[in-house]
Amino acid sequence: SAVISQKPSRDICQRGTSLTIQCQVDSQVTMMFWYRQQPGQSLTLIATANQGSEATYESGFVIDKFPISRPNLTFSTLTVSNMSPEDSSIYLCSVEHSFQPDSYNEQFFGPGTRLTVL
Amino acid sequence: GIQVEQSPPDLILQEGANSTLRCNFSDSVNNLQWFHQNPWGQLINLFYIPSGTKQNGRLSATTVATERYSLLYISSSQTTDSGVYFCAVESGGTSYGKLTFGQGTILTVHP
Repeated sequence: SAVISQKPSRDICQRGTSLTIQCQVDSQVTMMFWYRQQPGQSLTLIATANQGSEATYESGFVIDKFPISRPNLTFSTLTVSNMSPEDSSIYLCSVEHSFQPDSYNEQFFGPGTRLTVL
Repeated sequence: GIQVEQSPPDLILQEGANSTLRCNFSDSVNNLQWFHQNPWGQLINLFYIPSGTKQNGRLSATTVATERYSLLYISSSQTTDSGVYFCAVESGGTSYGKLTFGQGTILTVHP
């Protein structure tokens, strides 16, 4: 499977500031995704990061709050803008990548970024 | 969109016991995965199983796509099995690539 890294692994931020989270993959992938996991909750898809075009956002998430970049097939960033304590969550990137033909759409997740907003 | 329900929400076991976790989904799927989230938040891939049965050591999984459910079996549980188990599905079409997660089962294994 692909090896996925995220930076930073955790951060504590003040309300009103912004944080950019990086996701790096060790092989080229077509599809990259960003998820949010609020404390004690399940994972929710924020957006699909498309290389060479605008990200596709899910209902309840907007580009002004969560701008995403995808400059190439191995890298993406998610920015959490104008943060409030409600943004405290784990943010995870994922990629759809498998070397096995019978699991072509298996997804793998990065280690996550644990964000606390004070 | 597709709905995913997991049961039970919480499960407490003694080391060595067996358990079955269930995942029901509301529509046909072209991807179903089971994950284990460890205490550090890392999601570990357990199974990619949109249909059929797979086994990996003490863990096995079965998906009956026609009846829209999947089961994860854990045998001879160990304390390191503790954590949250998620089922996630992709329904295809306009939802291509988008995983919808269940609410998870919190497993606690006592020594």
